[in-house]
Amino acid sequence: DGGITQSPKYLFRKEGQNVTLSCEQNLNHDAMYWYRQDPGQGLRLIYYSQIVNDFQKGDIAEGYSVSREKKESFPLTVTSAQKNPTAFYLCASSPIQDRYGYTFGSGTRLTVV
Amino acid sequence: GENVEQHPSTLSVQEGDSAVIKCTYSDSASNYFPWYKQELGKRPQLIIDIRSNVGEKKDQRIAVTLNKTAKHFSLHITETQPEDSAVYFCAALNFGNEKLTFGTGTRLTIIP
Repeated sequence: DGGITQSPKYLFRKEGQNVTLSCEQNLNHDAMYWYRQDPGQGLRLIYYSQIVNDFQKGDIAEGYSVSREKKESFPLTVTSAQKNPTAFYLCASSPIQDRYGYTFGSGTRLTVV
Repeated sequence: GENVEQHPSTLSVQEGDSAVIKCTYSDSASNYFPWYKQELGKRPQLIIDIRSNVGEKKDQRIAVTLNKTAKHFSLHITETQPEDSAVYFCAALNFGNEKLTFGTGTRLTIIP
């Protein structure tokens, strides 16, 4: 999977439930990112982290939360406060010193049922 | 913050013809401009990139040009093939800003 693994590939959520999307990388990258992709809107940044135990909000952080307890892992929780969570979610990672090396995971498609 | 605009949103090209996708950016401090190709349901893959100290870069049938004065950059695909059909995203990065900003994507369809 190119060194960055997202799971599950498909996820279904009932309204009012929180769900957590997994993102793991073995590239020894310091920085990790979560993007949301909707048709016709490109990739919008949700959260990003450059170091363990630290993360910053992106452009559309409302209704989402993250943690970065390990360098390799950056899970995203979609909370019940996110009113329109149905989307394709992409995780990415990059080295700090050389941000040319953005690598994406294969994505998780979340659907609210 | 950085804002990246991408045009057109859809593009249909006869097989063998060339395709051009254009992006403009707002932050004059941006200094790295990658292009990603995303096939349906798959992850974006880096296809070519350019740094601000270079005006043009080519890799076989793909080229990228950068005009720093006008703050725009373009992707050129020559001799298009059916496997070029995908969504293409441009992006811009200011290393001081820590993160890539993406354009809204162009759906390229190659007509056999």
